[in-house]
Amino acid sequence: DTAVSQTPKYLVTQMGNDKSIKCEQNLGHDTMYWYKQDSKKFLKIMFSYNNKELIINETVPNRFSPKSPDKAHLNLHINSLELGDSAVYFCASTLGVAGNIQYFGAGTRLSVL
Amino acid sequence: SQQGEEDPQALSIQEGENATMNCSYKTSINNLQWYRQNSGRGLVHLILIRSNEREKHSGRLRVTLDTSKKSSSLLITASRAADTASYFCATAHITGGGNKLTFGTGTQLKVEL
Repeated sequence: DTAVSQTPKYLVTQMGNDKSIKCEQNLGHDTMYWYKQDSKKFLKIMFSYNNKELIINETVPNRFSPKSPDKAHLNLHINSLELGDSAVYFCASTLGVAGNIQYFGAGTRLSVL
Repeated sequence: SQQGEEDPQALSIQEGENATMNCSYKTSINNLQWYRQNSGRGLVHLILIRSNEREKHSGRLRVTLDTSKKSSSLLITASRAADTASYFCATAHITGGGNKLTFGTGTQLKVEL
């Protein structure tokens, strides 16, 4: 069983479109994250939720809206996609908020044309 | 600016040799973690060292932490072709919403047969 699963794995879309990426974890964790990895492999945190509550919100355009319907799910909706949004987006999860080990999904490669 | 800077950016060695990667960071931390990322995959946790620890071992991995110099090193002994991957250090430090991990720029390791 996949511990942290993201869908879709690949997403190719036109500028201006709206798209969503979904993430689910079956590890019983209560904290989930979204990261963005750029073409130089730099990984930057975007959002974090603990027990469905937003606890970390880095400087991210408000076109990005995370939603956590329950502890096991964290989705990312992106409005009005731009070329600069092209990247690999990773979901991760952990237990608690004490800087514990994080478990990553396989990533969603988003290409905006 | 990035919290973690890794050195070297790329490293190419022969199978059986040792590989050393270094990580420097800027602010106080709770712990420092190392992750591996195979091409096209998510990050996988390797080892965690707490701020009050100086050295930790796990199999062929040895991690050191020098909080006075704000630096850490990862040593992989007797490297194998399967160790080819990117390696990232990540520092855990407290924010208003709990700990977050800040990733370094990564070292791309290539182990040749």
